Amino acid sequence: NAGVTQTPKFRILKIGQSMTLQCTQDMNHNYMYWYRQDPGMGLKLIYYSVGAGITDKGEVPNGYNVSRSTTEDFPLRLELAAPSQTSVYFCASSYLASGMYEQYFGPGTRLTVT
Amino acid sequence: AQTVTQSQPEMSVQEAETVTLSCTYDTSESDYYLFWYKQPPSRQMILVIRQEAYKQQNATENRFSVNFQKAAKSFSLKISDSQLGDAAMYFCAYRIDDKIIFGKGTRLHILP
Repeated sequence: NAGVTQTPKFRILKIGQSMTLQCTQDMNHNYMYWYRQDPGMGLKLIYYSVGAGITDKGEVPNGYNVSRSTTEDFPLRLELAAPSQTSVYFCASSYLASGMYEQYFGPGTRLTVT
Repeated sequence: AQTVTQSQPEMSVQEAETVTLSCTYDTSESDYYLFWYKQPPSRQMILVIRQEAYKQQNATENRFSVNFQKAAKSFSLKISDSQLGDAAMYFCAYRIDDKIIFGKGTRLHILP
């Protein structure tokens, strides 16, 4: 199993550009998540999905969009990049949302918006 | 609102010694789950240990153990026989239903 994979690893965007961060998991997990980690901070939840076709907002959804057309994929879209979106982005998946089931994290994407 | 507080931004410990990382949380719920994650320089988030709130017995995983004090809403991580590979950011996390909240982290340095 590759686990959770994310592409790209690094990206530099200009203000106003758009991009999609890709996330794929091969563990047949129903639950998937997108977090951002700002320097010196913990992870903040952007969006999450409880299954294909279902998504919901987390703590910091503004400026982002997601879709979940398959169990495996959960892409994160930035439409009009802003410097405030400079961060490290983590995708995670989980067998169940609650209880002892841990979240498995991808390696992260470092995004810089200038 | 649920919050997770890690009051120690950085800590250092001598190799082979024991260190304790603090975590407190705020909740009005009675049934929840607590986790410690490790983030080495590679940025990969790795689960270290987990604890169910309804269990009084403290969780243990090899050199890692927790001191869970439910009434005090405290969940500290003890690392015994510290090794150079333990150097990382450590995040405390609280989970209830489909929400998981992370603390800001503690950076642990291991001194050879």
